[in-house]
Amino acid sequence: GAVVSQHPSWVICKSGTSVKIECRSLDFQATTMFWYRQFPKQSLMLMATSNEGSKATYEQGVEKDKFLINHASLTLSTLTVTSAHPEDSSFYICSASRRTSQSREQYFGPGTRLTVT
Amino acid sequence: AQSVTQPDIHITVSEGASLELRCNYSYGATPYLFWYVQSPGQGLQLLLKYFSGDTLVQGIKGFEAEFKRSQSSFNLRKPSVHWSDAAEYFCAVAPNDYKLSFGAGTTVTVRA
Repeated sequence: GAVVSQHPSWVICKSGTSVKIECRSLDFQATTMFWYRQFPKQSLMLMATSNEGSKATYEQGVEKDKFLINHASLTLSTLTVTSAHPEDSSFYICSASRRTSQSREQYFGPGTRLTVT
Repeated sequence: AQSVTQPDIHITVSEGASLELRCNYSYGATPYLFWYVQSPGQGLQLLLKYFSGDTLVQGIKGFEAEFKRSQSSFNLRKPSVHWSDAAEYFCAVAPNDYKLSFGAGTTVTVRA
């Protein structure tokens, strides 16, 4: 159990276009989802936290108008990279969490490789 | 602010040898502690976690970790490494909320 999927797994887009990445919890209800960005050979950097039905909370330095996050249901969150530029090329990973009193465990998706040309 | 330090960027071990990956955290109280493994092109898989209780935690794939409060450490160990253990390993902490802070990661290479 606790499987998280992401779609697409790999996407190439032209500079100036927008790209949407989906994150789904397949077998559980995710009250909270997280979006991370990972540069090659580096660690994961948290971009934002989203709770179902409410606005996402962005980390300092993350442009909320550029990285639009929607968490419309308990099983789906989307990240839209608007007006993408080559510097937005990265590996984007989502995770989902079930809020319980015992666990802060996050279940991670396989990631989406974004290349902006 | 909390921080997580993984001092070793890259470790090479022989198959069958033991492995220890270091992790130190900086936080006022004992946070929730995790070790994740990431294989090339894959998402992160949880190896083990520590919330409270016994300071020696057993995880999947034969891994274990020991929480040492006095040293603010949560080192990961495996007695005998297999070639399939070659991957990137991340230590992470979650203090008072559900946000994870990750260390920089340690790349493990296994030689035959």
